[in-house]
Amino acid sequence: EAQVTQNPRYLITVTGKKLTVTCSQNMNHEYMSWYRQDPGLGLRQIYYSMNVEVTDKGDVPEGYKVSRKEKRNFPLILESPSPNQTSLYFCASSPSTGTSYNEQFFGPGTRLTVL
Amino acid sequence: DQQVKQNSPSLSVQEGRISILNCDYTNSMFDYFLWYKKYPAEGPTFLISISSIKDKNEDGRFTVFLNKSAKHLSLHIVPSQPGDSAVYFCAASASSDSNYQLIWGAGTKLIIKP
Repeated sequence: EAQVTQNPRYLITVTGKKLTVTCSQNMNHEYMSWYRQDPGLGLRQIYYSMNVEVTDKGDVPEGYKVSRKEKRNFPLILESPSPNQTSLYFCASSPSTGTSYNEQFFGPGTRLTVL
Repeated sequence: DQQVKQNSPSLSVQEGRISILNCDYTNSMFDYFLWYKKYPAEGPTFLISISSIKDKNEDGRFTVFLNKSAKHLSLHIVPSQPGDSAVYFCAASASSDSNYQLIWGAGTKLIIKP
């Protein structure tokens, strides 16, 4: 089954404790992206990747890191989480780097709470 | 300042009637628009899109209308069914944006009443 998987689905952590949210897609997509969703704000892009070893900042990259060492995986790293990073996170992938016109496929989301 | 606005946080519609979800945008460079649907505990899924060269796109029960002069688009669902109850996001993109970024609205929660 073609899908984007994220782990964990739910995470409660404390300020300053490094964490990683994994994202994996099995559709051989070139483009991958991380979003956060906050009430009243819609989805905001954190980082995106056009291809392996190519990553770039989105609208809200502060406090986050990503890596793209292989095509299928795009982990999101919070080196020192803070309470303002409490949010719902989505990973997405798309078949082409050429345009965002292509449908993006989303993972199920990761609900993160930073105390 | 939000470039894509969905001013109705929620909408309640009787089953079988028409649901109309609205979206306004401010950036005149946007030339492609998409609607995504999201159920609880799931990620958004693509529903329908429209290019700025068109003013209407239809797919089954779903039709999207684009009014470029008013910078407004709407999603019509006819007839509405219980399974349509979800949050609907409007998103926009500019082909001039080398980052190919999607700008999202805040979403409208659609509730279909039996």
